[in-house]
Amino acid sequence: EDQVTQSPEALRLQEGESSSLNCSYTVSGLRGLFWYRQDPGKGPEFLFTLYSAGEEKEKERLKATLTKKESFLHITAPKPEDSATYLCAVQAWWGNKLVFGAGTILRVKS
Amino acid sequence: DGGITQSPKYLFRKEGQNVTLSCEQNLNHDAMYWYRQDPGQGLRLIYYSQIVNDFQKGDIAEGYSVSREKKESFPLTVTSAQKNPTAFYLCASSIDRAQETQYFGPGTRLLVL
Repeated sequence: EDQVTQSPEALRLQEGESSSLNCSYTVSGLRGLFWYRQDPGKGPEFLFTLYSAGEEKEKERLKATLTKKESFLHITAPKPEDSATYLCAVQAWWGNKLVFGAGTILRVKS
Repeated sequence: DGGITQSPKYLFRKEGQNVTLSCEQNLNHDAMYWYRQDPGQGLRLIYYSQIVNDFQKGDIAEGYSVSREKKESFPLTVTSAQKNPTAFYLCASSIDRAQETQYFGPGTRLLVL
């Protein structure tokens, strides 16, 4: 069974304090790994898709990386507006659905 | 602007009542999905549709029904058989099954009176 585990459950950072969020996965043939950002009471906003180990993608202060077992979302010099829940999901080659982790709640204080 | 709209934003259900959540997209996407989000859990797939007049059950379809009569619309009905309907419901779409990236609507929060 495909599974996604995200850690930590919650993370508090000071503005400018860089850190990483982890997404560990098991899947029978990875088609793609997805990162989303979700603000309270809103739908998830697409950030990145990663397809193969070694791939990296960046957007502003965010950088996503992928290995054969996990993905990291690195946040460099975060700002309060980066506060949100970050969701990770995987899709297998044979499946239609995304399997989501429970998310990491990030709070950045000024 | 292209996007996905969901209505209403909040919905209240009385015991024994069926309620329908609306999802509309103007992205010309073939595939549409319904997810349920509960606190502390990942999103779980209820139903999905890859093409008009066709849909498949997801992991938690019991107590729910859908229709796909138009490409733009994928309404979800929460029936009285769903005993724990309180949750945040999210609709998503993708260009087609081969294009994996799913884009989400703003969500509907369903509460039981």
